[in-house]
Amino acid sequence: KQEVTQIPAALSVPEGENLVLNCSFTDSAIYNLQWFRQDPGKGLTSLLLIQSSQREQTSGRLNASLDKSSGRSTLYIAASQPGDSATYLCAVTTYNNNDMRFGAGTRLTVKP
Amino acid sequence: EAQVTQNPRYLITVTGKKLTVTCSQNMNHEYMSWYRQDPGLGLRQIYYSMNVEVTDKGDVPEGYKVSRKEKRNFPLILESPSPNQTSLYFCASSRSGQGSGKLFFGSGTQLSVL
Repeated sequence: KQEVTQIPAALSVPEGENLVLNCSFTDSAIYNLQWFRQDPGKGLTSLLLIQSSQREQTSGRLNASLDKSSGRSTLYIAASQPGDSATYLCAVTTYNNNDMRFGAGTRLTVKP
Repeated sequence: EAQVTQNPRYLITVTGKKLTVTCSQNMNHEYMSWYRQDPGLGLRQIYYSMNVEVTDKGDVPEGYKVSRKEKRNFPLILESPSPNQTSLYFCASSRSGQGSGKLFFGSGTQLSVL
């Protein structure tokens, strides 16, 4: 059974810093990996989707990488802003296309 | 605007009183799913539906029922709620399959069972 881990559980950085959030998974036979953002009291918003054949995806200041062999993904946020403060979750889908496992998330605080 | 709409946003009820949380999507998605989110446990899937009249259990289906009579609607039913079902619930939809593409989430329903 796929297990997804996100460390650290919480992270606080000053505005303007570049930062990396980590996601690890135990089974490398994945279909894809998604990064989500969750604001307090709200639903999840999909940020980036990386297919198993891809190494990375970029959207604006966000860059997500995938290394299946090591069971790791990172979400890089450049020039962080207070508006980036949220919880970031990664989710891994296995090859049956429906077994999606979520990490518990990293709560990010960007201080002005 | 493409969206998944859940109602109500907040619900307080008592043990044993049947309730329904509604979910509707306007994107003509085939796939819909219900999750619950608990501190330290992350999101866990309750039930999902691949299409109209096709539903299946997720990881934590006990105590819940669903139906998919129309493509756009996927209500979650708690026949006899218990305190351990106090949680934050999310409905989600995608074009086809949980991992086939972007998953769109509703804003959530915070349920408290006393």
